Amino acid sequence: DAKTTQPPSMDCAEGRAANLPCNHSTISGNEYVYWYRQIHSQGPQYIIHGLKNNETNEMASLIITEDRKSSTLILPHATLRDTAVYYCIVRPLGGSNYKLTFGKGTLLTVNP
Amino acid sequence: GAVVSQHPSRVICKSGTSVKIECRSLDFQATTMFWYRQFPKQSLMLMATSNEGSKATYEQGVEKDKFLINHASLTLSTLTVTSAHPEDSSFYICSAKKSGPSNTEAFFGQGTRLTVV
Repeated sequence: DAKTTQPPSMDCAEGRAANLPCNHSTISGNEYVYWYRQIHSQGPQYIIHGLKNNETNEMASLIITEDRKSSTLILPHATLRDTAVYYCIVRPLGGSNYKLTFGKGTLLTVNP
Repeated sequence: GAVVSQHPSRVICKSGTSVKIECRSLDFQATTMFWYRQFPKQSLMLMATSNEGSKATYEQGVEKDKFLINHASLTLSTLTVTSAHPEDSSFYICSAKKSGPSNTEAFFGQGTRLTVV
């Protein structure tokens, strides 16, 4: 998997938008950007993924730059329950290798 | 989303004994399941890839004779930690991918906290 770089930690006020950046400058043309999060002492939770177009679902929005070298996960109205470690992972969509390689992620702390 | 269940959620065992952890996909079939290990304040590390009906593929540095993986059905994979020692104490997490090439996201279990005393 291509290497990603994320800030180790971020803070956000409850009710405000949380914008989590991720750099993936060595991403290949067939690699997608996936985001997962892990709340303390739980298994990771899938959030969203995308290739080059911006994506939105009920949890978050994913903004990918035109050159695909970076992306931003946006939680539009952060709540205290969004406090977690957020992982940005790049990997091919297809093929037989579906394993995920986790980096250190970003610890997002949502403050009241 | 899909539900993946791990059992037990917590287990304490004596050094030298074996522990079995189950991972079940409750509402979908999973041809492929993955086993991760996470030490405190560290990220998840992939241990092995489990394919239904065939031998697991272990990551470099993971002892296949110590961490036995069985994926006998499309909804169940088990990880057995044999002759456990205190250094095996960790958070073990499984994930499962829905069968079919169009399904790409992985769904994770809630994890199993293993403590070896």
